Amino acid sequence: ETGVTQTPRHLVMGMTNKKSLKCEQHLGHNAMYWYKQSAKKPLELMFVYNFKEQTENNSVPSRFSPECPNSSHLFLHLHTLQPEDSALYLCASSQDSGGVGTEAFFGQGTRLTVV
Amino acid sequence: GEDVEQSLFLSVREGDSSVINCTYTDSSSTYLYWYKQEPGAGLQLLTYIFSNMDMKQDQRLTVLLNKKDKHLSLRIADTQTGDSAIYFCAEKRDSNYQLIWGAGTKLIIKP
Repeated sequence: ETGVTQTPRHLVMGMTNKKSLKCEQHLGHNAMYWYKQSAKKPLELMFVYNFKEQTENNSVPSRFSPECPNSSHLFLHLHTLQPEDSALYLCASSQDSGGVGTEAFFGQGTRLTVV
Repeated sequence: GEDVEQSLFLSVREGDSSVINCTYTDSSSTYLYWYKQEPGAGLQLLTYIFSNMDMKQDQRLTVLLNKKDKHLSLRIADTQTGDSAIYFCAEKRDSNYQLIWGAGTKLIIKP
């Protein structure tokens, strides 16, 4: 248990569906992240929020829409996904996003399958 | 090519030492990390090393850093079945707070 909780753990959705992934941390961290993990590929950083403000969007398609209502919660809204979007989506948090040596704590991930 | 490179698989016998290697390209790296991901779980920080250090030891784990060759390794002594996981190398650069990740090395333990 790392203190970062993601729900749901597994999600199967059709290409026309709308769904949301949720991430919650009560570690008092100010930075939260969404990563995409595909097999045999490096982790891909998608979004960074620091003090609830989005500070990074790594050219992610608009069918992925993040939301950070407060520093403890992070959502990833999904709409009109493609089969190649199937992956493990990991949420992480850290004390802040700029500190050197800052440890990131990861959730267990949501295994997303797009059919 | 990728900025951080790792072999995808490593197979070792139980009780032997495992050495997982990683190479990176940016000389401005400040910290280098090893994360462990067990099946069905997220990533967990194992250890990290500051770029001005050559070695760091923590119980069964030894991290070696060759900054000249931009080579990082993780040695696990007396490998156990519980060490089966994917091990990710990551670097943090002085110019960018983001972590740059390798693709992960899957450690397979043979009885």
